[in-house]
Amino acid sequence: EIVLTQSPGTLSLSPGERATLSCRATQSIRANHVAWYQQKPGQVPRLLIYDVSTRATGIPDRFSGSGSGTDFTLTVSRLEPEDFAVYYCHQLGESPLTFGGGTTVEIK
Amino acid sequence: EVQLVESGGGLVKPGGSLRLSCAASGFAFTDAWLHWVRQTPGKGLEWVARVKSKAAGETTDYAAPVKGRFTISREDSTNTLYLQMNSLNMGDTAVYYCATGLISAYTYWGQGTLVTVSS
Repeated sequence: EIVLTQSPGTLSLSPGERATLSCRATQSIRANHVAWYQQKPGQVPRLLIYDVSTRATGIPDRFSGSGSGTDFTLTVSRLEPEDFAVYYCHQLGESPLTFGGGTTVEIK
Repeated sequence: EVQLVESGGGLVKPGGSLRLSCAASGFAFTDAWLHWVRQTPGKGLEWVARVKSKAAGETTDYAAPVKGRFTISREDSTNTLYLQMNSLNMGDTAVYYCATGLISAYTYWGQGTLVTVSS
């Protein structure tokens, strides 16, 4: 099973700052099938990025994804107030599919 | 408009069974690979199971904690996804979501149905 480790667990930042979230896999992810989701309290997860770096429909360009092999990054270039949430990485390259434990981006 | 509506959750005793349903509309159900994902209140997401499209062999995959106890299935004639859950234990308590979209990501999620396993 591919284990995804997200770091940091919590990121305390101010609006306007840059957020860099990491997702590390225990083995290389096939076909770069890595996605990122955002979840706010009481809401279902929302797809932000798929296939490592492709933004989902309607996602602002301040969100970007990068990486390859075992190391992946979600970057939010300038945090808006609505970006404070929990972020999950997800690999769909190999069964069993797995999620990372999440990174909480909180207001400093 | 895409809709995924889960039902069938509730309170069940340890060792009991429950069948979840997910009624889908607004997209090409027969072509979709369908998933169940769960989330313990206040905790992270956990993938549970997947069923591929009929064209892809309708094969199924399961997470280790549920393998042998849960069965995912689909009924393309009624656009419905199912999850039969047997031998439930307290570790199965969670909100269960059906999800689908791309092969490599979930563009659509249902609102979830809560399963509580407790004596």
